Amino acid sequence: GAVVSQHPSWVICKSGTSVKIECRSLDFQATTMFWYRQFPKQSLMLMATSNEGSKATYEQGVEKDKFLINHASLTLSTLTVTSAHPEDSSFYICSARFTNYGYTFGSGTRLTVV
Amino acid sequence: AQSVTQLDSQVPVFEEAPVELRCNYSSSVSVYLFWYVQYPNQGLQLLLKYLSGSTLVKGINGFEAEFNKSQTSFHLRKPSVHISDTAEYFCAVTPSPLTGTASKLTFGTGTRLQVTL
Repeated sequence: GAVVSQHPSWVICKSGTSVKIECRSLDFQATTMFWYRQFPKQSLMLMATSNEGSKATYEQGVEKDKFLINHASLTLSTLTVTSAHPEDSSFYICSARFTNYGYTFGSGTRLTVV
Repeated sequence: AQSVTQLDSQVPVFEEAPVELRCNYSSSVSVYLFWYVQYPNQGLQLLLKYLSGSTLVKGINGFEAEFNKSQTSFHLRKPSVHISDTAEYFCAVTPSPLTGTASKLTFGTGTRLQVTL
């Protein structure tokens, strides 16, 4: 149980275009989802926390206009990288809280901007 | 605020040897502690977690960890590693109990476990 499905697994896009990454909780309702960014051989950096039906809370230094997060339902949260540039290339991972002490992670999305 | 320190960025070990991956944390409040494993180009998989109770926690794949409150540590151990254990390991903490958006995970920088023959 407590599976989060993240799509796509990898995506290549042209500079200036936008890319949407989806995370779906398959067998539970995720009231809170977290979005992370991970650079090669580094730890996970929390970008934002989204709660269903409300605006996301962004971490300091994260551009909210570039990384749009939507959590419109209890089973779906999306991250849209707008006007992507090569420096946005990274590995993005979503995570959801499924109990009072459980976190589950998506399989990640490798974004390459060319 | 919480912080996590994983002192070893890389740990090379021979197959069937024991291994310990170190994790120390800092927090002004009680915490829950987690160890996750990440294989290349994949998300994180929970190995084990400490919430309360027995300080020795057993997880999947033969891993265990011991919570030491006085030393603020949560080291991960395995008595005999396998080639398939080669991966990145992350220690993480969150305030306990979980409440609202403050209950986000804070990760360490990770330890690369490299198992060789």
